[in-house]
Amino acid sequence: DGGITQSPKYLFRKEGQNVTLSCEQNLNHDAMYWYRQDPGQGLRLIYYSQIVNDFQKGDIAEGYSVSREKKESFPLTVTSAQKNPTAFYLCASSKFEAEAFFGQGTRLTVV
Amino acid sequence: AQSVTQLGSHVSVSEGALVLLRCNYSSSVPPYLFWYVQYPNQGLQLLLKYTSAATLVKGINGFEAEFKKSETSFHLTKPSAHMSDAAEYFCAVSDPFSGGYNKLIFGAGTRLAVHP
Repeated sequence: DGGITQSPKYLFRKEGQNVTLSCEQNLNHDAMYWYRQDPGQGLRLIYYSQIVNDFQKGDIAEGYSVSREKKESFPLTVTSAQKNPTAFYLCASSKFEAEAFFGQGTRLTVV
Repeated sequence: AQSVTQLGSHVSVSEGALVLLRCNYSSSVPPYLFWYVQYPNQGLQLLLKYTSAATLVKGINGFEAEFKKSETSFHLTKPSAHMSDAAEYFCAVSDPFSGGYNKLIFGAGTRLAVHP
């Protein structure tokens, strides 16, 4: 089945630790996105990429980093510089001028 | 800057009643518009989309939405609510300057409750 796979589903981070969230798609989509979801705030764009080896900051990129070495993969690293990382993270992908498809999300909690 | 406003963070209806979820957007050019649904601890699923064709858009699960340019609205409706419709609903607009790729801007969401 084609789709977007995010892993892990649940992730716990200690203070000062970097963690990486995985996002893989087999839909042959050019564009991929990372969103952060907090209760009552909708989804906010962290980073997006329209082509391999290129990506742009979204509205809340501080404290996050990404890479796009392969078309299928767009991992997100939450660095220690992100002061409030506890949230639900959603990865998405899309073709040109088409709707975005979403993964099932990763819930990150700081312990 | 683009923005999306969803009126009512919580909406409660009886099973069988009309569902109306409101969405207004701000855009200087006709945007692409979307409604997504999210069930607890899951990703978002596309309900329907408007891409400048017919102004009345039909989606999955009996939902539909009407694009009204004069009111900058894209309200979501369903004639008869079902218990399984209980979820959170997000309206989104595409950034017209994102080069054709859907860098979406989301509303804050509306949580729909359906009671017997």
